[in-house]
Amino acid sequence: TQLLEQSPQFLSIQEGENLTVYCNSSSVFSSLQWYRQEPGEGPVLLVTVVTGGEVKKLKRLTFQFGDARKDSSLHITAAQPGDTGLYLCAGANGYKLSFGAGTTVTVRA
Amino acid sequence: EADIYQTPRYLVIGTGKKITLECSQTMGHDKMYWYQQDPGMELHLIHYSYGVNSTEKGDLSSESTVSRIRTEHFPLTLESARPSHTSQYLCASSEGGFTGELFFGEGSRLTVL
Repeated sequence: TQLLEQSPQFLSIQEGENLTVYCNSSSVFSSLQWYRQEPGEGPVLLVTVVTGGEVKKLKRLTFQFGDARKDSSLHITAAQPGDTGLYLCAGANGYKLSFGAGTTVTVRA
Repeated sequence: EADIYQTPRYLVIGTGKKITLECSQTMGHDKMYWYQQDPGMELHLIHYSYGVNSTEKGDLSSESTVSRIRTEHFPLTLESARPSHTSQYLCASSEGGFTGELFFGEGSRLTVL
């Protein structure tokens, strides 16, 4: 059983469309990180959210941390082919960081 | 830009061979990690290190071993590779606590025939 469930597992959309990916858990986290991993590369941190209800925006990417700090979402507006990649969430609990299995996003030109 | 390097990027070997995956970082980070990544599965922590001469096993049991003789170097060794060891191995480092930002290498994809 995964501590962090990410959905959907795969998402394929046309350039210009919007998308949302989810990261859910029954556990409470002190903070939550989102990483993007491009093919053949290692994951790169996009954002860290630490406060329940927090919303962070990074250009076309909007990250939200649930009020109860158990879940998070990532919304991409007007997706571009450069947004293609594996999106991973990671929750911090005490001294430990737990990763989800990721959502593979493909943006078609 | 992260300065953490893994070699080899790709390795195909036969069963029973000994292999070492190299990982080096130039950021002076005390904490380093090895994760195993398989398609559709979460990243599993297999080893971590607090600093020089300190290594610990992670959540996922692994037959591999690690060493940390220098701050910048954290190699992973498999004494006798088996097909079940086929996977992507990601090395990472961080400063501060264990739950801070991780800087990952590009990964080493190991295939054991």
